[in-house]
Amino acid sequence: EAGVTQSPTHLIKTRGQQATLRCSPISGHTSVYWYQQALGLGLQFLLWYDEGEERNRGNFPPRFSGRQFPNYSSELNVNALELEDSALYLCASSRTGLVGGDEQFFGPGTRLTVL
Amino acid sequence: GIQVEQSPPDLILQEGANSTLRCNFSDSVNNLQWFHQNPWGQLINLFYIPSGTKQNGRLSATTVATERYSLLYISSSQTTDSGVYFCAAGNSGNTPLVFGKGTRLSVIA
Repeated sequence: EAGVTQSPTHLIKTRGQQATLRCSPISGHTSVYWYQQALGLGLQFLLWYDEGEERNRGNFPPRFSGRQFPNYSSELNVNALELEDSALYLCASSRTGLVGGDEQFFGPGTRLTVL
Repeated sequence: GIQVEQSPPDLILQEGANSTLRCNFSDSVNNLQWFHQNPWGQLINLFYIPSGTKQNGRLSATTVATERYSLLYISSSQTTDSGVYFCAAGNSGNTPLVFGKGTRLSVIA
Protein backbone atom coordinates (compact mmCIF):
# COMPACT_ATOMS: atom_id res chain seq x y z
CA GLU A 1 0.00 0.00 0.00
CA ALA A 2 1.39 3.38 -1.01
CA GLY A 3 2.12 5.88 1.72
CA VAL A 4 1.46 9.59 1.76
CA THR A 5 3.09 11.28 -1.22
CA GLN A 6 4.05 14.93 -1.65
CA SER A 7 5.26 16.98 -4.57
CA PRO A 8 7.50 18.64 -5.37
CA THR A 9 10.37 17.48 -3.17
CA HIS A 10 12.05 20.84 -3.35
CA LEU A 11 10.73 24.22 -4.40
CA ILE A 12 12.66 27.46 -4.80
CA LYS A 13 10.79 30.73 -5.09
CA THR A 14 11.51 34.41 -4.68
CA ARG A 15 9.84 36.86 -2.31
CA GLY A 16 6.35 37.86 -3.40
CA GLN A 17 5.75 34.79 -5.55
CA GLN A 18 3.17 32.08 -4.91
CA ALA A 19 3.93 28.46 -4.06
CA THR A 20 1.68 25.43 -4.52
CA LEU A 21 2.42 22.20 -2.68
CA ARG A 22 0.55 18.94 -3.27
CA CYS A 23 -0.28 15.92 -1.15
CA SER A 24 -1.92 12.56 -1.83
CA PRO A 25 -3.15 10.67 1.24
CA ILE A 26 -3.06 6.96 1.90
CA SER A 27 -5.89 5.17 0.13
CA GLY A 28 -8.97 5.14 2.35
CA HIS A 29 -7.91 8.16 4.38
CA THR A 30 -10.20 11.18 4.24
CA SER A 31 -8.33 13.60 6.51
CA VAL A 32 -5.30 15.56 5.36
CA TYR A 33 -3.19 17.75 7.64
CA TRP A 34 -0.51 20.29 6.79
CA TYR A 35 2.36 21.23 9.12
CA GLN A 36 5.25 23.68 8.83
CA GLN A 37 8.66 22.90 10.27
CA ALA A 38 11.10 25.78 10.14
CA LEU A 39 14.79 24.87 10.33
CA GLY A 40 15.68 23.35 13.69
CA LEU A 41 12.21 23.85 15.10
CA GLY A 42 9.21 21.68 15.90
CA LEU A 43 6.12 21.10 13.84
CA GLN A 44 3.49 23.82 13.69
CA PHE A 45 -0.03 22.89 12.62
CA LEU A 46 -1.24 24.75 9.54
CA LEU A 47 -4.47 23.30 8.15
CA TRP A 48 -6.73 20.28 8.39
CA TYR A 49 -9.14 19.08 5.71
CA ASP A 50 -11.65 16.28 5.93
CA GLU A 51 -14.24 15.27 3.34
CA GLY A 52 -13.44 18.37 1.32
CA GLU A 53 -13.96 20.84 4.13
CA GLU A 54 -11.52 22.87 6.21
CA ARG A 55 -11.94 21.57 9.77
CA ASN A 56 -9.33 23.57 11.63
CA ARG A 57 -6.65 26.14 11.02
CA GLY A 58 -3.47 26.99 12.89
CA ASN A 59 -2.20 30.42 13.79
CA PHE A 60 -1.00 31.41 10.31
CA PRO A 61 -1.92 34.42 8.15
CA PRO A 62 -4.61 34.13 5.45
CA ARG A 63 -2.01 33.98 2.68
CA PHE A 64 -1.66 30.33 3.71
CA SER A 65 -4.62 28.54 2.19
CA GLY A 66 -5.50 25.22 0.67
CA ARG A 67 -8.17 22.87 -0.48
CA GLN A 68 -9.06 19.22 -0.63
CA PHE A 69 -10.24 17.60 -3.82
CA PRO A 70 -12.98 14.94 -4.24
CA ASN A 71 -10.27 12.23 -4.38
CA TYR A 72 -9.05 13.52 -0.96
CA SER A 73 -5.76 14.83 -2.29
CA SER A 74 -4.90 18.32 -1.14
CA GLU A 75 -2.90 21.34 -2.09
CA LEU A 76 -1.41 24.06 0.05
CA ASN A 77 -1.02 27.53 -1.44
CA VAL A 78 1.22 30.18 0.00
CA ASN A 79 0.77 33.64 -1.51
CA ALA A 80 3.07 36.65 -1.30
CA LEU A 81 5.98 34.53 -0.12
CA GLU A 82 8.22 35.91 2.60
CA LEU A 83 11.72 34.83 3.55
CA GLU A 84 10.47 33.31 6.81
CA ASP A 85 8.20 30.96 4.86
CA SER A 86 11.29 28.91 4.06
CA ALA A 87 10.64 25.60 5.79
CA LEU A 88 9.86 21.92 5.41
CA TYR A 89 6.14 21.47 4.78
CA LEU A 90 4.81 18.13 5.89
CA CYS A 91 1.52 16.56 4.95
CA ALA A 92 -0.15 13.80 6.97
CA SER A 93 -3.28 11.74 6.51
CA SER A 94 -5.57 9.70 8.73
CA ARG A 95 -8.76 7.71 8.29
CA THR A 96 -10.78 10.56 9.73
CA GLY A 97 -10.02 13.13 12.34
CA LEU A 98 -13.57 14.03 13.20
CA VAL A 99 -13.87 11.89 16.29
CA GLY A 100 -10.22 12.17 17.22
CA GLY A 101 -7.82 9.41 17.94
CA ASP A 102 -6.87 8.33 14.44
CA GLU A 103 -3.22 7.62 13.76
CA GLN A 104 -1.56 10.11 11.41
CA PHE A 105 0.96 9.08 8.76
CA PHE A 106 3.34 11.57 7.20
CA GLY A 107 4.67 12.16 3.74
CA PRO A 108 8.33 12.92 2.96
CA GLY A 109 7.76 16.68 2.87
CA THR A 110 8.36 19.56 0.49
CA ARG A 111 11.31 21.79 1.27
CA LEU A 112 10.42 25.35 0.30
CA THR A 113 13.18 27.90 -0.04
CA VAL A 114 12.31 31.57 -0.50
CA LEU A 115 15.08 33.77 -1.83
CA GLY B 1 -5.47 23.48 24.33
CA ILE B 2 -3.35 20.52 25.22
CA GLN B 3 0.34 21.11 25.89
CA VAL B 4 3.10 18.59 25.26
CA GLU B 5 6.54 18.68 26.83
CA GLN B 6 9.43 16.39 26.02
CA SER B 7 12.60 15.67 27.93
CA PRO B 8 15.50 15.69 27.67
CA PRO B 9 15.92 18.13 24.76
CA ASP B 10 19.25 16.58 23.79
CA LEU B 11 20.80 13.21 24.48
CA ILE B 12 24.17 11.79 23.50
CA LEU B 13 24.71 8.05 23.85
CA GLN B 14 27.46 5.60 23.21
CA GLU B 15 26.45 2.84 20.82
CA GLY B 16 24.93 -0.06 22.76
CA ALA B 17 23.55 2.09 25.58
CA ASN B 18 19.90 2.25 26.63
CA SER B 19 17.81 5.40 26.95
CA THR B 20 14.42 6.65 28.08
CA LEU B 21 12.65 9.61 26.50
CA ARG B 22 9.73 11.23 28.29
CA CYS B 23 6.61 13.01 27.07
CA ASN B 24 4.29 14.86 29.46
CA PHE B 25 0.89 16.09 28.34
CA SER B 26 -1.47 18.45 30.08
CA ASP B 27 -4.86 16.81 29.48
CA SER B 28 -6.48 13.47 28.80
CA VAL B 29 -5.72 12.14 25.32
CA ASN B 30 -7.22 9.77 22.80
CA ASN B 31 -4.21 9.97 20.49
CA LEU B 32 -0.57 9.71 21.45
CA GLN B 33 2.06 9.04 18.83
CA TRP B 34 5.85 8.77 18.83
CA PHE B 35 7.80 9.62 15.68
CA HIS B 36 11.43 9.49 14.61
CA GLN B 37 12.51 12.21 12.20
CA ASN B 38 15.43 11.07 10.09
CA PRO B 39 18.14 13.40 8.73
CA TRP B 40 16.13 13.89 5.51
CA GLY B 41 13.12 15.17 7.43
CA GLN B 42 10.87 12.15 7.05
CA LEU B 43 8.70 11.42 10.09
CA ILE B 44 8.60 7.71 10.76
CA ASN B 45 5.75 6.35 12.88
CA LEU B 46 7.12 4.47 15.86
CA PHE B 47 4.11 3.93 18.08
CA TYR B 48 0.45 4.82 18.28
CA ILE B 49 -0.10 4.47 22.01
CA PRO B 50 -2.82 6.49 23.75
CA SER B 51 -2.55 4.01 26.61
CA GLY B 52 -0.75 0.82 27.57
CA THR B 53 2.54 -0.68 26.49
CA LYS B 54 3.84 -1.73 23.08
CA GLN B 55 7.11 -3.15 21.85
CA ASN B 56 8.72 -3.23 18.45
CA GLY B 57 12.18 -4.76 18.36
CA ARG B 58 14.60 -2.65 20.39
CA LEU B 59 11.98 0.02 20.94
CA SER B 60 9.12 0.01 23.40
CA ALA B 61 6.69 2.61 24.70
CA THR B 62 4.43 3.00 27.67
CA THR B 63 1.67 5.55 28.17
CA VAL B 64 0.16 6.08 31.61
CA ALA B 65 -2.88 8.09 30.62
CA THR B 66 -4.08 8.68 34.17
CA GLU B 67 -0.76 10.31 35.06
CA ARG B 68 -0.44 12.07 31.69
CA TYR B 69 2.91 10.85 30.50
CA SER B 70 4.44 8.53 27.95
CA LEU B 71 7.89 6.97 27.82
CA LEU B 72 9.87 5.74 24.84
CA TYR B 73 12.59 3.19 25.58
CA ILE B 74 15.47 2.56 23.20
CA SER B 75 17.66 -0.41 24.04
CA SER B 76 21.07 -1.30 22.60
CA SER B 77 21.15 1.94 20.65
CA GLN B 78 22.69 2.06 17.19
CA THR B 79 24.05 4.99 15.18
CA THR B 80 21.02 4.71 12.91
CA ASP B 81 18.82 5.62 15.90
CA SER B 82 20.19 9.16 15.72
CA GLY B 83 17.71 11.89 14.87
CA VAL B 84 14.89 13.75 16.54
CA TYR B 85 12.15 11.93 18.40
CA PHE B 86 8.78 13.66 18.59
CA CYS B 87 5.81 12.94 20.78
CA ALA B 88 2.40 14.21 19.62
CA ALA B 89 -0.92 14.17 21.44
CA GLY B 90 -4.55 14.90 20.67
CA ASN B 91 -7.73 14.71 22.69
CA SER B 92 -10.78 15.31 20.55
CA GLY B 93 -12.17 15.63 17.09
CA ASN B 94 -11.70 18.89 15.22
CA THR B 95 -8.40 19.57 16.97
CA PRO B 96 -5.04 18.65 15.50
CA LEU B 97 -2.19 16.72 17.07
CA VAL B 98 0.03 18.89 19.23
CA PHE B 99 3.73 18.13 18.91
CA GLY B 100 6.38 18.44 21.57
CA LYS B 101 9.64 20.17 20.71
CA GLY B 102 11.41 16.84 20.36
CA THR B 103 14.43 15.08 21.81
CA ARG B 104 17.55 15.19 19.63
CA LEU B 105 19.39 11.88 20.01
CA SER B 106 22.96 11.38 18.88
CA VAL B 107 24.39 7.88 19.06
CA ILE B 108 28.14 7.74 18.66
CA ALA B 109 30.19 4.68 17.73
